Order: sequence, then structure tokens, then C-alpha cells
Amino acid sequence: EIVMTQSPATLSVSPGERATLSCRASQTVSSNLAWYQQRPGQAPRLLIYGASTRATGIPARFSGSGSGTEFTLTISSLQSEDFAVYYCQQYNDWPPMYTFGQGTKLEIK
Amino acid sequence: QVQLVESGGGVVQPGGSLRLSCAASGFIFSGYGMHWVRQAPGKGLEWVAFIRYDGSSKYYADSVKGRFTISRDNSKNTLNLEMNNLRAEDTAVYYCVGISTAGIYWGQGTLVTVSS
Repeated sequence: EIVMTQSPATLSVSPGERATLSCRASQTVSSNLAWYQQRPGQAPRLLIYGASTRATGIPARFSGSGSGTEFTLTISSLQSEDFAVYYCQQYNDWPPMYTFGQGTKLEIK
Repeated sequence: QVQLVESGGGVVQPGGSLRLSCAASGFIFSGYGMHWVRQAPGKGLEWVAFIRYDGSSKYYADSVKGRFTISRDNSKNTLNLEMNNLRAEDTAVYYCVGISTAGIYWGQGTLVTVSS
């Protein structure tokens, strides 16, 4: 099983500033990495797939980078609606136990 | 547009059974491997089960192996999860998820509560 580790657990950032979230895989997942945003009481929302491709309707301030075992989600200028929990997920493993990171809570500073 | 709509959640006693369903539309369901993912109250996301696009292979998390059964009906664009011998720790929102290199799709989830 591939273990996904996100850091930090909580990130405090002011609106308008940049946020950088990290995700590390215990073994290579190539570029088969997705990022999700989850607001309270809502289902996860796909932001990024293929490590760097924005999903349909996702604003350009969200960008993903990395490959192999190290990945980054960057939010260039935080809006109020961006304060939420973010998860990474690998979908490279076989058998397909597509594991998640434990999440990063992005909170208002 | 793509839709995944889960149903079948509810309250069940420990040791009981429940069957979840997921109705898919707006994409080629028969071309996608499908998963169930769950989220316990206040916790993170946990992968539960997978079924290959043609139903020929199935895999389960250790926490549900032997108790849960995933199945699909490609003629009806439907994914199912049969849950038996339910435990308190199975209490969660269950999501139906389709993943391929062409796209990733999630439903809105259905809540399963295991309580006496």
C-alpha cells in the first residue's frame, strides 16, 4: 500500500497571500496524483488531476506540480472561499488501493 | 453533465446489513473502474473498494474484506455496495467515485450510521 503524507497538517495564511501545500508518496506514483478541496458538509471537489491539470471550472489561481513522490498544490492569491481542507490522492497503485493523504486544513490567519 | 447519485444509506444496528447503490450518467460508465470511498465523521477519506470496468476484478480495504461486496451492472449504469455485519466504525458518508486517466468523478455521498 502506498502511504501518502501531507504537510503541514494546518496552514494559516492571510487572504490575498500564497499558500503552498505538500504531498509525499512512499513510492513513486508517476503523475497519477489528484488534489481535492473539501468544505464543511460538502463532498470533495476535484481541483487537479494528473498532478498538474486543472479540472473543469477550477480557477487559474490553483496549480499543481511534481511527479514521482513529491507534489505541491499552490493557491496563488487566497480568496475567502479557499479556506477548507485539502486532500491528495494517488491513483497509480495496483491493486488499485487509491490512498489519500490525511489532509491539510487551510485556515485564515 | 456527469452525475453520480448514491442512495441506500440510513441507520442500521450493529451486525445488520445495508445495500448502497450509485446511479451514473453523463459519461461512459462501462469504461471506468469504480470505487467506493468513505469518510467517518470528522475524519479523512478512506478508500473502501474497487471494481474493474468489466466487473472481472474486485479489491477491498482490509477493514471491510469479507463483509462488503462491490458489484456493477453496466447495462443499467449502476454501482452497488453490499455491506454485511456492520460495525460502529463503518459509520461514514460513502462516496461513489469513477477514476480513469480520462477523468475523475465523485458523487455527493450517502450517510450510513451504525448504531443501536
